[in-house]
Amino acid sequence: DAGVIQSPRHEVTEMGQEVTLRCKPISGHNSLFWYRQTMMRGLELLIYFNNNVPIDDSGMPEDRFSAKMPNASFSTLKIQPSEPRDSAVYFCAAGGSGANVLTFGAGSRLTVL
Amino acid sequence: GQQLNQSPQSMFIQEGEDVSMNCTSSSIFNTWLWYKQEPGEGPVLLIALYKAGELTSNGRLTAQFGITRKDSFLNISASIPSDVGIYFCAGQDQDGNKLVFGAGTILRVKS
Repeated sequence: DAGVIQSPRHEVTEMGQEVTLRCKPISGHNSLFWYRQTMMRGLELLIYFNNNVPIDDSGMPEDRFSAKMPNASFSTLKIQPSEPRDSAVYFCAAGGSGANVLTFGAGSRLTVL
Repeated sequence: GQQLNQSPQSMFIQEGEDVSMNCTSSSIFNTWLWYKQEPGEGPVLLIALYKAGELTSNGRLTAQFGITRKDSFLNISASIPSDVGIYFCAGQDQDGNKLVFGAGTILRVKS
C-alpha cells in the first residue's frame, strides 16, 4: 500500500489565485481528515469526512476554503481566492472508523505571495 | 475548544541521554497517541494508548496514559541522532471523532 498520497508537494502562487490540493487516501480507510500546519498555530483540523460525507467543517477558516470527497479514493481542498496568510503545509490523513491512528500524507507546502 | 498543553517546547540534548516529554489536558481523552514528524514529511504514529494507566513500549520509546485520562508522557531512552524531529501528542475525545494535537516538542540531539 502506497499510503496517503498528496499532490502537489509544493505550490507557489500569487495572491488571488485559486489553489487546489489533492489527496488519495488509503484504500479501505473510511475517514479522511484535512489538517493545516503553521509555526504559529501548529496542526489545526480543517474538516473531516466519514464515508465520503463531510462531518465537521468547523475548522475551515472561512468561505474561501472548500473541500470535497466525491468518492472513497479522492479528496480535494480548494482555496479561492488565496491569500498570503494561507501559506502553510496542508496534510491529508486517513483513518479507520473513529479518528484514532491516523495515517498522514507527506503534505502539500503552499506559499502564497 | 479542547486544548493539549505539551511540554517542553524544545530540547537540545546530548546523544545517549534520556528524554521525557508530556501532555496535559483539561478534558478527558479516550485515546492518547504520540507522533513524530521529520522535516518535509507528515507525522508518523509512534505509540497508541487506549486505556487509563496503560504503559506501552516501542523499542527505546515508552509512553503512558495517565490515570486521570487527562495526561500522557513519552520517554525516549538512550537518544540517538535519528531521534531528531518534532514529537506530537494527540488525544481523541469521548465523541471519538476528532484528534486534537499538542503544539509539539522539537528534539535536537548533539552527537
